[in-house]
Amino acid sequence: GNSVTQMEGPVTLSEEAFLTINCTYTATGYPSLFWYVQYPGEGLQLLLKATKADDKGSNKGFEATYRKETTSFHLEKGSVQVSDSAVYFCALSDNNAGNMLTFGGGTRLMVKP
Amino acid sequence: NAGVMQNPRHLVRRRGQEARLRCSPMKGHSHVYWYRQLPEEGLKFMVYLQKENIIDESGMPKERFSAEFPKEGPSILRIQQVVRGDSAAYFCASSPNDNSPLHFGNGTRLTVT
Repeated sequence: GNSVTQMEGPVTLSEEAFLTINCTYTATGYPSLFWYVQYPGEGLQLLLKATKADDKGSNKGFEATYRKETTSFHLEKGSVQVSDSAVYFCALSDNNAGNMLTFGGGTRLMVKP
Repeated sequence: NAGVMQNPRHLVRRRGQEARLRCSPMKGHSHVYWYRQLPEEGLKFMVYLQKENIIDESGMPKERFSAEFPKEGPSILRIQQVVRGDSAAYFCASSPNDNSPLHFGNGTRLTVT
């Protein structure tokens, strides 16, 4: 079956630091990959996605590249802000739409001023 | 255009009571998904419904849990005879079809005392 593994948090960074949150997956076939963000007390919001190998998803300064050879989809941002503090979820789906999602356990990011 | 609306935001039930969670999808969306987030864990798929039909309930516990999405009105997730292990955040998501990304609600946080 499908599974997603994320690095455990919390990840604590100072403002303007570089961020990497690791994500690896196991899936049959060629899944689509997603990063969702959950701000305190809110639901999940789609941050970015990639639907095939070597695709790079990007949004709001965040990036992730679909690496089929390493089955990874690591999230990166060059300079984090306090407002980026949230829980980040890596997920996969067997279809491009991402409506049947398998989530990782989430990684809490805390950015200090 | 209002987003996915879930109510109540917080629900407290004693062991053995029933919990009813409601989800109104975005306007024009006929596909509804329910996910459960246990404390410190990622979201787990529970059930996928279209109007008056259950499409996939592979993530639903075999007993005490049921879901419906009637022709009129919100989708309901019903948990009978709740136990402490049911305490979690329950998220609803909707989409207009099975080829579009999901839009998540803010969740219902169920606490069983």
